[in-house]
Amino acid sequence: GAVVSQHPSRVICKSGTSVKIECRSLDFQATTMFWYRQFPKKSLMLMATSNEGSKATYEQGVEKDKFLINHASLTLSTLTVTSAHPEDSSFYICSARPSAETQYFGPGTRLLVL
Amino acid sequence: AQSVTQLDSHVSVSEGTPVLLRCNYSSSYSPSLFWYVQHPNKGLQLLLKYTSAATLVKGINGFEAEFKKSETSFHLTKPSAHMSDAAEYFCVVSLTGGGNKLTFGTGTQLKVEL
Repeated sequence: GAVVSQHPSRVICKSGTSVKIECRSLDFQATTMFWYRQFPKKSLMLMATSNEGSKATYEQGVEKDKFLINHASLTLSTLTVTSAHPEDSSFYICSARPSAETQYFGPGTRLLVL
Repeated sequence: AQSVTQLDSHVSVSEGTPVLLRCNYSSSYSPSLFWYVQHPNKGLQLLLKYTSAATLVKGINGFEAEFKKSETSFHLTKPSAHMSDAAEYFCVVSLTGGGNKLTFGTGTQLKVEL
């Protein structure tokens, strides 16, 4: 149980285009999902907290107009990287929270912007 | 504010020998502490968590960690390393359980040699 999936697992796009990443909780409902970014050889940095049916809460320094987050249902949150640039290339990881005590992480999405 | 420091970016051990991955934390309040493992191309997996119960926490795959408030440490140990333990390990702190904002350490890459 408690499986979180991400799609796609990796994506390559051209600079200036937008990319959507999906995060799904497969066997539980998650009122809250989190989006993290992980640079090579670096720690995970929380980008935003996504609550079902309401606007996401972004961490300081994260551009909300660039990283659009939608949490339309209890099992799906999406992260759209708009007008992507090479510096947006990274590993994006989501997590879903079925209870106040636990987060389950997805396998991550590798984004490469050319 | 809360933070974690993982003192070693890389640790190398021989199979069958003990593992010690060090973590020190800083938190204004009584924290919850976690260890996560990340295998290549796989999602983060929770190894164990401390949430103000017993200070010696046993996790999966033979790992355990001891919460030492006087030393502000939460080191991860395993008596005997296995080849399958080779992965990236993250020490994580949260103010309230594990369902809210997680602050990750920079990670320790564990290498297990024959």
